[in-house]
Amino acid sequence: SQTIHQWPATLVQPVGSPLSLECTVEGTSNPNLYWYRQAAGRGLQLLFYSVGIGQISSEVPQNLSASRPQDRQFILSSKKLLLSDSGFYLCAWSGDSKETQYFGPGTRLLVL
Amino acid sequence: AQKVTQAQTEISVVEKEDVTLDCVYETRDTTYYLFWYKQPPSGELVFLIRRNSFDEQNEISGRYSWNFQKSTSSFNFTITASQVVDSAVYFCALITNRDDKIIFGKGTRLHILP
Repeated sequence: SQTIHQWPATLVQPVGSPLSLECTVEGTSNPNLYWYRQAAGRGLQLLFYSVGIGQISSEVPQNLSASRPQDRQFILSSKKLLLSDSGFYLCAWSGDSKETQYFGPGTRLLVL
Repeated sequence: AQKVTQAQTEISVVEKEDVTLDCVYETRDTTYYLFWYKQPPSGELVFLIRRNSFDEQNEISGRYSWNFQKSTSSFNFTITASQVVDSAVYFCALITNRDDKIIFGKGTRLHILP
């Protein structure tokens, strides 16, 4: 069966510091991968999605970036965090863009 | 443009009551897929159901049931005999055959009171 992992689970970072969140999927190959952000009490915002290694589509212009160095690894990064980057970050995978997306446990990021 | 509306921001019911969460969608595509997800306090989104636009049969899974009506563009979710563990935020979502991105509603926060 497929599983999706995210780490860290919680992160507290100062403004201006770098960020690296990791997401890995097991039990499937060539998945579509997604990064979402959920601000406190708000809905889900799609940040990036990837249909293959090195292929990244950005949905929202901001100081975040994503990379997919391996088939089942998706990384969310920032060179300098802003206060507004605080939120709950969710990674998801699907077998195809029309199929169900399955979500990881998420990372809670607090930027101080 | 595609859109998902969950008009109920927050609902509170007493345990064992039935509760229906509304979802109205907009799309001009004839082929699309609808989803419901549950987000408990832990944060992880849990997949509940996926329906395609050609299958209007209602679905029942234990205490959960879904009513899909294309005539009113609605995909409502009913929890029968609610339990405290049903307390969560519930998201309805849509993806059409022409899009690569799923559109989520803003969610309904459900409180089941003991």
